[in-house]
Amino acid sequence: DVKVTQSSRYLVKRTGEKVFLECVQDMDHENMFWYRQDPGLGLRLIYFSYDVKMKEKGDIPEGYSVSREKKERFSLILESASTNQTSMYLCASRDPGQSYEQYFGPGTRLTVT
Amino acid sequence: GESVGLHLPTLSVQEGDNSIINCAYSNSASDYFIWYKQESGKGPQFIIDIRSNMDKRQGQRVTVLLNKTVKHLSLQIAATQPGDSAVYFCASRAGGSYIPTFGRGTSLIVHP
Repeated sequence: DVKVTQSSRYLVKRTGEKVFLECVQDMDHENMFWYRQDPGLGLRLIYFSYDVKMKEKGDIPEGYSVSREKKERFSLILESASTNQTSMYLCASRDPGQSYEQYFGPGTRLTVT
Repeated sequence: GESVGLHLPTLSVQEGDNSIINCAYSNSASDYFIWYKQESGKGPQFIIDIRSNMDKRQGQRVTVLLNKTVKHLSLQIAATQPGDSAVYFCASRAGGSYIPTFGRGTSLIVHP
């Protein structure tokens, strides 16, 4: 089974802090994604990565950056956390050669105070 | 641009009833659709998919129907069980796109 893990389930940070959210997948998937999930808004794509060292902006990249130095790991960085970045963050991976299905991690609930 | 929405934010059913969750999409170029289930405290999980060259696909206790004429798809769950309580998302892909578009989710509540 594909396993996507995220470094923290719950995180509380202060405004202005630099925040790192880590995601690791164990199935050698090429594509990885970061979403945020807010009530009533569904899943919104922040960034995605086709492959190692490649990244593309999604629908809401402002205030975020990403890093993909190794195939299995995709990091989301909040350069200076703000209260409007309080949300659930979901990482996903996919093997485009196999299917269009995305495999999601359990999510990180980030609170910025 | 593409938008994908669900008709109702919450659906309450009795255990044993059949559930129908609806989804509308706007992009006529959408050629592939997926339903995901998200249980409390977990990430979304794949349930079933359907390509635009089909109008029906069945899985175990689930059926997805696709009506391309009105750009609508539905997820039917037979004999709904308490374990089916979750948020259900539809997602669509416009032909050739890498990125799916997700709907906002419908919360299914199953009463014992």
